[in-house]
Amino acid sequence: EAGVAQSPRYKIIEKRQSVAFWCNPISGHATLYWYQQILGQGPKLLIQFQNNGVVDDSQLPKDRFSAERLKGVDSTLKIQPAKLEDSAVYLCASSLRGANTGELFFGEGSRLTVL
Amino acid sequence: GENVEQHPSTLSVQEGDSAVIKCTYSDSASNYFPWYKQELGKRPQLIIDIRSNVGEKKDQRIAVTLNKTAKHFSLHITETQPEDSAVYFCAAANTNAGKSTFGDGTTLTVKP
Repeated sequence: EAGVAQSPRYKIIEKRQSVAFWCNPISGHATLYWYQQILGQGPKLLIQFQNNGVVDDSQLPKDRFSAERLKGVDSTLKIQPAKLEDSAVYLCASSLRGANTGELFFGEGSRLTVL
Repeated sequence: GENVEQHPSTLSVQEGDSAVIKCTYSDSASNYFPWYKQELGKRPQLIIDIRSNVGEKKDQRIAVTLNKTAKHFSLHITETQPEDSAVYFCAAANTNAGKSTFGDGTTLTVKP
């Protein structure tokens, strides 16, 4: 079974520039999450999708972050304009919520450095 | 919302010793408590989990205990090996809402 795919793995940008990350969840997983993991901290939820609808985006800085999940499969997370404090690993995860298992399957992450 | 606190933030043990990591949570609606292991530069991966209707679960050298009344749960690793060195995250989840909140992680170092 293929895992959660993310790209790019690494990105370095200047502050005020924009960046986009892509995620392809495990086939059949209806729920998709984007987490931000700052060095030395646990993953913090940015946004949760159920199919192509947003379930929770209460922690998403909407003035600069946006995310979409068209057709209920792939998702993109965009940051525009980036700030220094956005330097982090952005983890995408998916879960088979219909089975109510709770387990999250993570991608390898996209490491963002903002200079 | 849910708040998860994890202790200690770093833990160093000698190979063969036991390691214990503790977490507390705040939301009584949380009903699922997974532990993830994250090796350097890798993705977090589930190593063990426990549901709110169970007090203890064991899988070979790792075990998890849950005290719902006190709202805390712990990870126990026995006979530690160097390959156990990693960052361990606890989480508290409400599977009805599909929400998981993570602790800040414990960096475990097992010295040979």
